[in-house]
This record gives sequence, structure tokens and C-alpha cells, in this order.
Amino acid sequence: AQTVTQSQPEMSVQEAETVTLSCTYDTSENNYYLFWYKQPPSRQMILVIRQEAYKQQNATENRFSVNFQKAAKSFSLKISDSQLGDTAMYFCASGELYGNKLVFGAGTILRVKS
Amino acid sequence: DTGVSQNPRHKITKRGQNVTFRCDPISEHNRLYWYRQTLGQGPEFLTYFQNEAQLEKSRLLSDRFSAERPKGSFSTLEIQRTEQGDSAMYLCASRPIQGASTDTQYFGPGTRLTVL
Repeated sequence: AQTVTQSQPEMSVQEAETVTLSCTYDTSENNYYLFWYKQPPSRQMILVIRQEAYKQQNATENRFSVNFQKAAKSFSLKISDSQLGDTAMYFCASGELYGNKLVFGAGTILRVKS
Repeated sequence: DTGVSQNPRHKITKRGQNVTFRCDPISEHNRLYWYRQTLGQGPEFLTYFQNEAQLEKSRLLSDRFSAERPKGSFSTLEIQRTEQGDSAMYLCASRPIQGASTDTQYFGPGTRLTVL
């Protein structure tokens, strides 16, 4: 069974600074995907970034990038130049390549302060 | 391209009543998922459809819960004899079978259920 652990319940960062959210996971699969989703207060969950486990290159999407360490089963999210609109709950999730569900961590609340 | 929609957005009911939620996935997404999210936690998988076939159910989905997707388009989730422990956000997601994002699930806004 897959498990996902987010060890930081809450994080704060000043506007324009950089913050890193941690995620570790466990899976017996060789082929899987990892995701970071963002859930703003009272709004729906949207995809931030995704990583295919068979790709060594870390994914990047504008200000968002990941540090994927497959051997350590670690998948952290770095947000550069933080903006007030980045304030949200961030969930790390894993999914098997041919699987039918996502397994989520408990989430990290990120607050960006002006 | 419209996103995943869910109705109602909020539902308050008394313990013991039945409730039904609806999810309309992104058009041409043949995979549909239901998740439950309790306050301060990540979503937990409930069930999965490919077209009209329900292919997987979590042990979280007790006998009081039933989900359908009769024509392979919209889906309904019914909870019978609701209990206070059913209070949660119920999320629906859909996923395409073709294209560049076949591994990504797209979530709806959720239905928040409060059982009094």
C-alpha cells in the first residue's frame, strides 16, 4: 500500500521569499506519479506540479519546482518569489502508473505574509 | 472547457436522512473518482468508475454508501441513514484516458455535508 507523509502542518513565508514544503512517500511500485495540489481556502483543489517517477529530471512550473529524490522517497516542493495568492493548503499525493486512485498526505498550510 | 462540477455545494441534513450528491466530470473524461475529505486532512479515496463500470471501492465505502454512473457521464453518490461521522467534504475528480494529462485527476469544488 502507498503512504504519503507531510511532516509540516503549517509554514509561513514572507512575500517574495522562497519556501520548501516537504513530502515523503512509500510505495512498492517502480512506476508511479507524484503530485502537488493546492487547495485555497474555500476553493477547489488544483494541480500545481506533477512528476513521473521514471524521469530523473525534476519538474518545474514557473515559480514552482520539485526536488525528487527517488532513492530516499522524497518529493519536496519549492515555491520561489512567494505571492499572497500562494496562501493555501498544499497536498502531496502519489498514484500508481496503472492505478486507480491517489493517496494524499495530510497537507501543509502555507501562509504568505506581506 | 468547463471543469468538474458538483451539486449541491453544501448540504445540511438530520441524522438518519438520505442524501444524494451529483458530479459532472469534464466532458470526454471517462474516469471518475469520489473522495472524502474531513477537516484538516487530505482526501481519502472512496470509489472509481471507468465509463459506467464501478471498478474499485474503498473499505471506507460502507453499505450505506452507493455510487452510480449510469450512462458513463455524470455520477451520483448516495448516503443512506446518515450519521454524524459522515460529515465531510465529498470531492469528485475526473481523468482523461487520452491526451497529455492521462495521469492527472481534475477535482471539482466538492459538496460539504453537515449531519446534525
